[in-house]
Amino acid sequence: SYELTQPPSVSVSPGQTATITCSGDGLPKQYGYWYQQKPGQAPVLVIYKDSERPSGIPERFSGSSSGTTVTLTISGVQVEDEADYYCQSADGTGHRNVVFGGGTKLTVL
Amino acid sequence: EVQLVESGGGLVQPGGSLRLSCAASGFTFKDFWMAWVRQAPGKGLEWVANLRHDRTEMYYAASVKGRFTVSRDNAQNSLYLQMNSLRAEDTAVYYCVRVIVATMGIEWFDPWGQGTLVTVSS
Repeated sequence: SYELTQPPSVSVSPGQTATITCSGDGLPKQYGYWYQQKPGQAPVLVIYKDSERPSGIPERFSGSSSGTTVTLTISGVQVEDEADYYCQSADGTGHRNVVFGGGTKLTVL
Repeated sequence: EVQLVESGGGLVQPGGSLRLSCAASGFTFKDFWMAWVRQAPGKGLEWVANLRHDRTEMYYAASVKGRFTVSRDNAQNSLYLQMNSLRAEDTAVYYCVRVIVATMGIEWFDPWGQGTLVTVSS
């Protein structure tokens, strides 16, 4: 089955840049999407179609894609950005199967 | 404001059934695909099922196919998930989500409800 691979954890200091990667064989053909989930809360969309930012999401959140990897970048990380981040894509079979990465815990030291 | 409010979660024995509901407001419900996504305690997100706005297409994760049924009532702005033959591994928070579809294969989830907890245990 199709899988998306994320690092389990990333740590940065406030004001630094955090990069979270998501790898999958289908990503050259499928878009990647990113969700932020804070403890006890529902996920929130932060990036769609690899690099588009929904309204209301701070400009410090950006996304990019290269080959089999999509990347979420948070520039000038703030303490409130500490959360779990999940990537999502489609398996490309045409059956609308949705796949999530295992999630990355971002710790702001 | 778009709102999705789930209900119907609770404790159920293995082999039992439960029906989840999701009340939608703040958008034209009948125009959107909808979905269920779940999250086991301390674990990641797992897509469960999608349902087209006119109910003509539905898709399920392999882990629930044949046991779960997604449905909707556009007149009541409501989405449902009928869960049968429940197993311990179905224990999770179940989220109702709106699907934004740009075209086939280009779709994402926004927004998410707050979720309802389903616990399968004897």
